[in-house]
Amino acid sequence: NAGVTQTPKFQVLKTGQSMTLQCAQDMNHEYMSWYRQDPGMGLRLIHYSVGAGITDQGEVPNGYNVSRSTTEDFPLRLLSAAPSQTSVYFCASSYRMLSRVGDYGYTFGSGTRLTVV
Amino acid sequence: QQQVKQSPQSLIVQKGGISIINCAYENTAFDYFPWYQQFPGKGPALLIAIRPDVSEKKEGRFTISFNKSAKQFSLHIMDSQPGDSATYFCAATSNAGGTSYGKLTFGQGTILTVHP
Repeated sequence: NAGVTQTPKFQVLKTGQSMTLQCAQDMNHEYMSWYRQDPGMGLRLIHYSVGAGITDQGEVPNGYNVSRSTTEDFPLRLLSAAPSQTSVYFCASSYRMLSRVGDYGYTFGSGTRLTVV
Repeated sequence: QQQVKQSPQSLIVQKGGISIINCAYENTAFDYFPWYQQFPGKGPALLIAIRPDVSEKKEGRFTISFNKSAKQFSLHIMDSQPGDSATYFCAATSNAGGTSYGKLTFGQGTILTVHP
């Protein structure tokens, strides 16, 4: 049981390049989300999905694209990288309903540290 | 718009002391309040969570106190240890519309340092 797996762990991009951050979970969670973490700002939601084929925007969606063709995978695409997208990106997954122990089982990946130069 | 405000930004505590981190929220629809612990280079990990139908929840040395009328909640770490040194985030979410539990709103984070 690997939990939430993110790849790559580190990436340097040039301004204008595109790339895809990969995220996979093996817990059969309905929800998956992408957050970015910047100093002093906590984690901010980029996009999320409540199930395969369903996605929606979060707080900071501009410049990012997502799709969810399977329950397990939720890739994040940077369309044209900008220095403002330099950040640490976290993927997370969770249940839709409370579990028996009273939580939603939010599980985060270990992150992708992205630098755009 | 920051809907969850967290303080302090940083906290230094001696080993054995009590660490207290506070959060305040604006959205009265929030009904699930987790705390996350994050070590350098790692993703946040769920520490403890509370729902607004209780005023306190304790798990080992970690306690959440919840004040619904004041829209505030806090994390208390008793007998703080150097291994507790990490960044702590409060968060909140609601099930408005039945699809919102994927959307966590985070506080800004508190860097806790516990000196031996």
